[in-house]
Amino acid sequence: NAGVTQTPKFQVLKTGQSMTLQCAQDMNHEYMSWYRQDPGMGLRLIHYSVGAGITDQGEVPNGYNVSRSTTEDFPLRLLSAAPSQTSVYFCASSGGTGANVLTFGAGSRLTVL
Amino acid sequence: AQSVAQPEDQVNVAEGNPLTVKCTYSVSGNPYLFWYVQYPNRGLQFLLKYITGDNLVKGSYGFEAEFNKSQTSFHLKKPSALVSDSALYFCAVRDTPGSARQLTFGSGTQLTVLP
Repeated sequence: NAGVTQTPKFQVLKTGQSMTLQCAQDMNHEYMSWYRQDPGMGLRLIHYSVGAGITDQGEVPNGYNVSRSTTEDFPLRLLSAAPSQTSVYFCASSGGTGANVLTFGAGSRLTVL
Repeated sequence: AQSVAQPEDQVNVAEGNPLTVKCTYSVSGNPYLFWYVQYPNRGLQFLLKYITGDNLVKGSYGFEAEFNKSQTSFHLKKPSALVSDSALYFCAVRDTPGSARQLTFGSGTQLTVLP
């Protein structure tokens, strides 16, 4: 049981380039989300999904797109990378309803030059 | 809107001593409260949660947390700290009923246990 798998673990981009961070979970979780972690700011929610075909914006969605075509996958797209998007990105999922615990991936460290 | 505050960026404690990591929250309804831990270069791991019931919640690795409604606090505690407890700790809150299980995280507290 792999849990939540994120790829790549590290990426360096130039300003204006695009890329996709991949996230896959094998726990049949309905809820998936993307957070970014910046020093002194904790984790901030970018986008989330409550099921296949349903996505919504979190606290800091600008510059990011998501889609949820399957239950397992929830990719995060940066259309035109900016230095302000340099961060560590975490994908997380949870199942069921109520106060369910989030299972996090190991993170993807992105640097935009 | 829901929010959570961790007033201490850094907490240092000697091995064997009790530790406390502080957390206060603000919600409009009843809170769901969580503690997560992050070891270097790893994702966050769940420690414990408060939903309802007993104000003292016990979690993984000997940690516990006390819910105090009047002080809107949910401090993390451990009676005897280990060097291996050194990590970054996050408190998180979700208002009930909250939309889509969104959690709001605090800014984190770096715990260092000195040998």
